[in-house]
Amino acid sequence: AQSVTQLDSHVSVSEGTPVLLRCNYSSSYSPSLFWYVQHPNKGLQLLLKYTSAATLVKGINGFEAEFKKSETSFHLTKPSAHMSDAAEYFCVVSDRNQAGTALIFGKGTTLSVSS
Amino acid sequence: GAVVSQHPSRVICKSGTSVKIECRSLDFQATTMFWYRQFPKQSLMLMATSNEGSKATYEQGVEKDKFLINHASLTLSTLTVTSAHPEDSSFYICSARVAGGANTGELFFGEGSRLTVL
Repeated sequence: AQSVTQLDSHVSVSEGTPVLLRCNYSSSYSPSLFWYVQHPNKGLQLLLKYTSAATLVKGINGFEAEFKKSETSFHLTKPSAHMSDAAEYFCVVSDRNQAGTALIFGKGTTLSVSS
Repeated sequence: GAVVSQHPSRVICKSGTSVKIECRSLDFQATTMFWYRQFPKQSLMLMATSNEGSKATYEQGVEKDKFLINHASLTLSTLTVTSAHPEDSSFYICSARVAGGANTGELFFGEGSRLTVL
């Protein structure tokens, strides 16, 4: 069974400084991995996804993530935080070899950005 | 990208009544839709997998008689919360996978429906 662990429940950064949100996964097969962002009382927006192509994935709003199989990690980074980045971030795993399998969500990391 | 629409986005009802939430894929067909529930400041928990033309598959601990799911067409799935009680108050989010597309695992999410039971 697949699972995902977000190592930090809350991350606080200052505007203009780098962002690192950590995620480790467990999957029996070749995983697809995603990062979603959720602003308060809103739905989910896909930031980026890894589906077996390049291990360094670039997403929207300057975010990127690197798939490291040896470390079973898929950490999300951004060089310079904006105030608008403050939100809840979810690391998500899906088993690509089982059609119809739902996405499994991590517990989420709350990102706070101060001026 | 593909668009999933949920309706209503917000609903308030009295205890004991039933509430229906619709999930529509607007520009694609979805043979499979998923319903998630999210409590305040928590992650999304999968409730059930809805397959077009067949019975939904519920996750352990989710009452299928309480949360009725119907997936009558390739673009519509509905979740009905029957005899709602205050503890059913939550944020419900649906998602869909593109039918026949490459199985990258990506889902497209609706905007969510906030249910408040008084």
